[in-house]
Amino acid sequence: SAVISQKPSRDICQRGTSLTIQCQVDSQVTMMFWYRQQPGQSLTLIATANQGSEATYESGFVIDKFPISRPNLTFSTLTVSNMSPEDSSIYLCSVVLAAVPGELFFGEGSRLTVL
Amino acid sequence: EDQVTQSPEALRLQEGESSSLNCSYTVSGLRGLFWYRQDPGKGPEFLFTLYSAGEEKEKERLKATLTKKESFLHITAPKPEDSATYLCAVPYQYSGAGSYQLTFGKGTKLSVIP
Repeated sequence: SAVISQKPSRDICQRGTSLTIQCQVDSQVTMMFWYRQQPGQSLTLIATANQGSEATYESGFVIDKFPISRPNLTFSTLTVSNMSPEDSSIYLCSVVLAAVPGELFFGEGSRLTVL
Repeated sequence: EDQVTQSPEALRLQEGESSSLNCSYTVSGLRGLFWYRQDPGKGPEFLFTLYSAGEEKEKERLKATLTKKESFLHITAPKPEDSATYLCAVPYQYSGAGSYQLTFGKGTKLSVIP
């Protein structure tokens, strides 16, 4: 398994501001993803964080709203830009370990509330 | 479009009262079905992978089974510590390094009452 640390664990933000969430993994991983979990909804993939290149976004998510960085194989950030109350959600970092392909390991999530 | 539907949305059981959770899916060329457990305030925790119809996996009081159209998570004699939201997911796109991007169901929230 892997230890996946996310910061912040929770935050309350004002409309129009931006917040950056950090994800740190205790081992090098090839695949790293960012998910969103809105109240009462299923986990939805935002993007795949690619090391050293632009992230690959899923339909409905754009780089201007959710810029992602991944400078190395253990660290990534997700920024939620120009937030509105609709962005209130839990944001989760997940990774695939080479030893267990096809199975995801998740961080504990970052709970954002936008007022 | 691939779909994953879980039922019931919520289930309340007395301790020791066995039951099953359902996950139905519509996906072409199933490449596995995954079950996760999620505790409040935590990220999902992987439980099982099933690859083919007829396959079964067990872990403590949990047993997952798979047919061509659905999967069941059977809970035998549950305890309060089994209370959690149980999620199922199917892969919809290969993302590299042996992994797939997953479509998740909305989950079943299980409450086990002492």
